[in-house]
Amino acid sequence: EAGVVQSPRYKIIEKKQPVAFWCNPISGHNTLYWYRQNLGQGPELLIRYENEEAVDDSQLPKDRFSAERLKGVDSTLKIQPAELGDSAVYLCASSRVSGRAMGEQYFGPGTRLTVT
Amino acid sequence: AQSVTQLDSQVPVFEEAPVELRCNYSSSVSVYLFWYVQYPNQGLQLLLKYLSGSTLVKGINGFEAEFNKSQTSFHLRKPSVHISDTAEYFCAVSGGSYIPTFGRGTSLIVHP
Repeated sequence: EAGVVQSPRYKIIEKKQPVAFWCNPISGHNTLYWYRQNLGQGPELLIRYENEEAVDDSQLPKDRFSAERLKGVDSTLKIQPAELGDSAVYLCASSRVSGRAMGEQYFGPGTRLTVT
Repeated sequence: AQSVTQLDSQVPVFEEAPVELRCNYSSSVSVYLFWYVQYPNQGLQLLLKYLSGSTLVKGINGFEAEFNKSQTSFHLRKPSVHISDTAEYFCAVSGGSYIPTFGRGTSLIVHP
């Protein structure tokens, strides 16, 4: 089966510009996650979707970040406007199971964002 | 709240030597535990998982981990490492919140 697909792989923008990341999860995976991974750190959850519903978004900086998963399949994460501190790798993951076994996730390759 | 501590930020080892990467967790409820590997410029890949049953879990690439409830640990081991095992390794726990929490990672560096 195809893995989690993310695009673009790399993005360089100036601060205050908008940016968007796209993710297509593994077919049949209803749960989708967006993580941010800062250099030398583990992934930190930004938002989790169950189908098209955002069920965990407490860590999403809602003043500048937004996400959508309109048809419960692919998803877009947007930052507007970007700040220097947003430079990181943005990872998308999906899982088939729910509950505590959600830790069994499948990750995409990530988008490395550099804000200058 | 749950948390994960990976005690070593970097572990250097020679090829064909054994290695142990340490992970301790805290949680007020029973947990599921995971180890992921991340190669340069790639996403995370699941190495192994503990959900229930036998406390010794075997994963891919010859890795195994042992769940120790009394010590709240889930250390990762491999009896003989290869150059290709050089990567970042992340321990993760999911418990009452159902959202996995990741450790900061341990960089395994295998020298020839």
